[in-house]
Amino acid sequence: DTGVSQNPRHKITKRGQNVTFRCDPISEHNRLYWYRQTLGQGPEFLTYFQNEAQLEKSRLLSDRFSAERPKGSFSTLEIQRTEQGDSAMYLCASRSSGTGETQYFGPGTRLLVL
Amino acid sequence: AQTVTQSQPEMSVQEAETVTLSCTYDTSESDYYLFWYKQPPSRQMILVIRQEAYKQQNATENRFSVNFQKAAKSFSLKISDSQLGDAAMYFCAYSYTGANSKLTFGKGITLSVRP
Repeated sequence: DTGVSQNPRHKITKRGQNVTFRCDPISEHNRLYWYRQTLGQGPEFLTYFQNEAQLEKSRLLSDRFSAERPKGSFSTLEIQRTEQGDSAMYLCASRSSGTGETQYFGPGTRLLVL
Repeated sequence: AQTVTQSQPEMSVQEAETVTLSCTYDTSESDYYLFWYKQPPSRQMILVIRQEAYKQQNATENRFSVNFQKAAKSFSLKISDSQLGDAAMYFCAYSYTGANSKLTFGKGITLSVRP
């Protein structure tokens, strides 16, 4: 069990640029979540995948954000035309099927928009 | 909508002592799950303990135990024999039993351990 991995771990970009983050879940986990965590706050839900289907998106996920999970394995989160308010830690978590199963988190990608 | 409240932003405990972290939540659901997650500085979030709402017995995990009061919607975490490695941010989280099971987190509490 290699755990959830995320790349890159850190990203610095200029306002207006596009960025893409990758999440590799635990291999047998079919459910994948993205959260955003700002400094001093708890993570907030962004979106959820079951296999390759994106089943829920938070209203926090503006039209500049898009997420995919093309083959039901890894997932990408893209932010277009980044704004300074997008600066945050982006966390990925995965879990297996079954009610109430524990979500396992990756180390996160810390984004700084200058 | 479900909410999770952690009203204490910081707490401190002497090594080897016991500390209790508080959490309250609000939900109209009768079946749900509650979690405590630990996030050490610059390290990833890990699960400390979980509680199923339908279970009356409080969950325990080694030095960690919870006091789950369903009627009061309270879910506190007790850490016994505190160790330096317990220093971290602790988040209380809720999920309902639907297929999504997304987590709703509190703002967290920073726990420091004094040697």
